Amino acid sequence: DVKVTQSSRYLVKRTGEKVFLECVQDMDHENMFWYRQDPGLGLRLIYFSYDVKMKEKGDIPEGYSVSREKKERFSLILESASTNQTSMYLCASTAGQYSNQPQHFGDGTRLSIL
Amino acid sequence: QKEVEQDPGPLSVPEGAIVSLNCTYSNSAFQYFMWYRQYSRKGPELLMYTYSSGNKEDGRFTAQVDKSSKYISLFIRDSQPSDSATYLCAMTLIKAAGNKLTFGGGTRVLVKP
Repeated sequence: DVKVTQSSRYLVKRTGEKVFLECVQDMDHENMFWYRQDPGLGLRLIYFSYDVKMKEKGDIPEGYSVSREKKERFSLILESASTNQTSMYLCASTAGQYSNQPQHFGDGTRLSIL
Repeated sequence: QKEVEQDPGPLSVPEGAIVSLNCTYSNSAFQYFMWYRQYSRKGPELLMYTYSSGNKEDGRFTAQVDKSSKYISLFIRDSQPSDSATYLCAMTLIKAAGNKLTFGGGTRVLVKP
């Protein structure tokens, strides 16, 4: 089974802090994704990466950046956290750059910005 | 208008009933269709994965795709309280860069004992 592990289940940070969310997958997948999930808005794609050191903006990249230095690890960075970034953050991975394989998700990080 | 529309529910059914869920979409280029189940405080887990039109069955779950109507459905037979969750539909293009998915907003389902 594919395992996608997010480093924290719950995180509380203060406004203005730099926040790092980490995600690791164990299946040698090429593609990794970061979403946020909010009630009434569903899953919204923040950034994705289809290879090491490659990244693409999703639908809502503002206020976020990402890093993919190794194939198995994809980090989401909130440069200066704000209260409107309080949300559930989900990481996902999938194999192949154009294989249309379904995405496998981690259990999420519930982030609160005070 | 959203690319993928899904009734948010909640959909409440008695145990043993058939649960019927659906999504409509606007982009006729979508070719791959998925259903995910998400329990409270957990990530989505893949339930069904289908390509193009037709039916697919897996145990108590049946997924249907009608590309001519841009409509997909998920049926859960003999529903159990453990089926209580949010169900998300998702779809992608035939050659989506990075396999990007477009999600519906999810339907919350409650199966009452």
